[in-house]
Amino acid sequence: AAGVIQSPRHLIKEKRETATLKCYPIPRHDTVYWYQQGPGQDPQFLISFYEKMQSDKGSIPDRFSAQQFSDYHSELNMSSLELGDSALYFCASSSGPKNTGELFFGEGSRLTVL
Amino acid sequence: SQKIEQNSEALNIQEGKTATLTCNYTNYSPAYLQWYRQDPGRGPVFLLLIRENEKEKRKERLKVTFDTTLKQSLFHITASQPADSATYLCALDRGSTLGRLYFGRGTQLTVWP
Repeated sequence: AAGVIQSPRHLIKEKRETATLKCYPIPRHDTVYWYQQGPGQDPQFLISFYEKMQSDKGSIPDRFSAQQFSDYHSELNMSSLELGDSALYFCASSSGPKNTGELFFGEGSRLTVL
Repeated sequence: SQKIEQNSEALNIQEGKTATLTCNYTNYSPAYLQWYRQDPGRGPVFLLLIRENEKEKRKERLKVTFDTTLKQSLFHITASQPADSATYLCALDRGSTLGRLYFGRGTQLTVWP
């Protein structure tokens, strides 16, 4: 079965550079969530989209922005990168609000900021 | 803010025994409570979901209980196997926001032969 696809899987950037992460949800899933997980930390909610509109916003820095496109894929744009942005970034999808409640996660994009 | 505590960062048990993981939460009453498995460097994988009006849910060797009075969920793996070794995350869904989950830090389970 198709899963959530994230790219790139690994990314190395310098401080103050910009990075873009992409997420392709499971087909027919219309809701996308972004989470950030630092080493040994719990996943922290960043932002979510439902039907291409932002549906919820968490602890996402102002330097970050995201959007969901007409084909439901989503991109997370990160600018002025800081060392503390180094983390695993997960995208998850679901088939709309309150279906079964479970989220389907991708394998993550590991961002390293040097 | 929502606070979720999972018992001891690491749990080591012998194969065949029952592993019991604890999740305690404060401040808010979740509409749903979910358990995920996460292997190193991989994305969380959904295991079980229990609703606030449910006391217990089972799936094969897995069992989860939900006590809204104690604000606690217990996650059991019976007849544990080395392949069950992973980090298990508890996640709360308050039900009022579109799917945002609040995760605990997880319990790292190691099942030794």
